[in-house]
Amino acid sequence: GAVVSQHPSWVICKSGTSVKIECRSLDFQATTMFWYRQFPKQSLMLMATSNEGSKATYEQGVEKDKFLINHASLTLSTLTVTSAHPEDSSFYICSATLAGSDTQYFGPGTRLTVL
Amino acid sequence: QKEVEQDPGPLSVPEGAIVSLNCTYSNSAFQYFMWYRQYSRKGPELLMYTYSSGNKEDGRFTAQVDKSSKYISLFIRDSQPSDSATYLCATFQGAQKLVFGQGTRLTINP
Repeated sequence: GAVVSQHPSWVICKSGTSVKIECRSLDFQATTMFWYRQFPKQSLMLMATSNEGSKATYEQGVEKDKFLINHASLTLSTLTVTSAHPEDSSFYICSATLAGSDTQYFGPGTRLTVL
Repeated sequence: QKEVEQDPGPLSVPEGAIVSLNCTYSNSAFQYFMWYRQYSRKGPELLMYTYSSGNKEDGRFTAQVDKSSKYISLFIRDSQPSDSATYLCATFQGAQKLVFGQGTRLTINP
């Protein structure tokens, strides 16, 4: 149980284009979803927290207009990287929690490469 | 100072050895500590979850918290090549916000 999926697993795009990454909780309803970014050989850094039906809360230094987060249902959150640039190339990982629990279940990650 | 500090390694040990992975943290208010395992190009998976001080054992894995020195450890007994991964310690900073250590890359050599 508590499986989180992400799609796509790997995406390559040209500089200036936008990319959407989906995060789904497959067998549970996720009241809260989290988006992390992980650069090579570095740890996960929280980008934003989103609750279903509410605006996402972004961490300091994360541009909310560049990283658009939508959490329209209890099983789906999307992260759109707008006008992507090479420095946005990274491993993006989402996680989700069950109602009343602090345990975060992580997705397998999406590798974004911006040319 | 980072909230959680972890030696990135890499750490390489022979199969069957006991592995010790460690982290330090800065805020004495932290109560919950987690160890995650992350295989290359995959998301982290929760290994161990401990509250406050003491030991917790699960099979070949033992998590230890020493709040007096703000030190957390993960021990792996009878290490296997399949244990080769990056191990991340983490704690909660406020409600639900996880902060991670840098991760230690571990290789178990057959």
